[in-house]
Amino acid sequence: AQSVTQLDSQVPVFEEAPVELRCNYSSSVSVYLFWYVQYPNQGLQLLLKYLSGSTLVKGINGFEAEFNKSQTSFHLRKPSVHISDTAEYFCAVRSSGSARQLTFGSGTQLTVLP
Amino acid sequence: DAGVIQSPRHEVTEMGQEVTLRCKPISGHDYLFWYRQTMMRGLELLIYFNNNVPIDDSGMPEDRFSAKMPNASFSTLKIQPSEPRDSAVYFCASSTGPGNTIYFGEGSWLTVV
Repeated sequence: AQSVTQLDSQVPVFEEAPVELRCNYSSSVSVYLFWYVQYPNQGLQLLLKYLSGSTLVKGINGFEAEFNKSQTSFHLRKPSVHISDTAEYFCAVRSSGSARQLTFGSGTQLTVLP
Repeated sequence: DAGVIQSPRHEVTEMGQEVTLRCKPISGHDYLFWYRQTMMRGLELLIYFNNNVPIDDSGMPEDRFSAKMPNASFSTLKIQPSEPRDSAVYFCASSTGPGNTIYFGEGSWLTVV
């Protein structure tokens, strides 16, 4: 079985400040890791994903995430946030084995303050 | 590509009525997923299909829920009879092989009164 824990349910941050959204996972097999963003009243959009190779993954809108196998973490970062980054962010894990489903964390609401 | 298309976008119905949500996956995708999102439970996988065959329906809450995929370009999620606790956003998503991105539709916002 696989699971995802997002440690912070809400993260307020001022505009142009850096931000880190934390994600830890557990799985008995190798996994693929994803971050999705959900803007108000919209569906989920992929920000970035880790499949293999370099542990630092760059995504859209200036976001990046680092896969840390020893700490089973996949934290999302952005060096300088904008008001438009206000949204809910979901970390997700998908087994690289036979299972195909995506397991989501509970989400982190990022609110960027002026 | 038009992306995953869901209908209706919004539905308000009375308790006891039948609700049918529809989904057209991205052409060429052989996996289709139905998720439900609520404030209390977050995003939950209800069921997923591979090549039109249901693979795992363990997330379907109860017998009132059923899902079908009669062909590669269409799936339905049906609730009969609907109850107020079914009020949620229902997302359909599709993908190809393992590790590939799962693409989500815009969601169907269901309110049962």
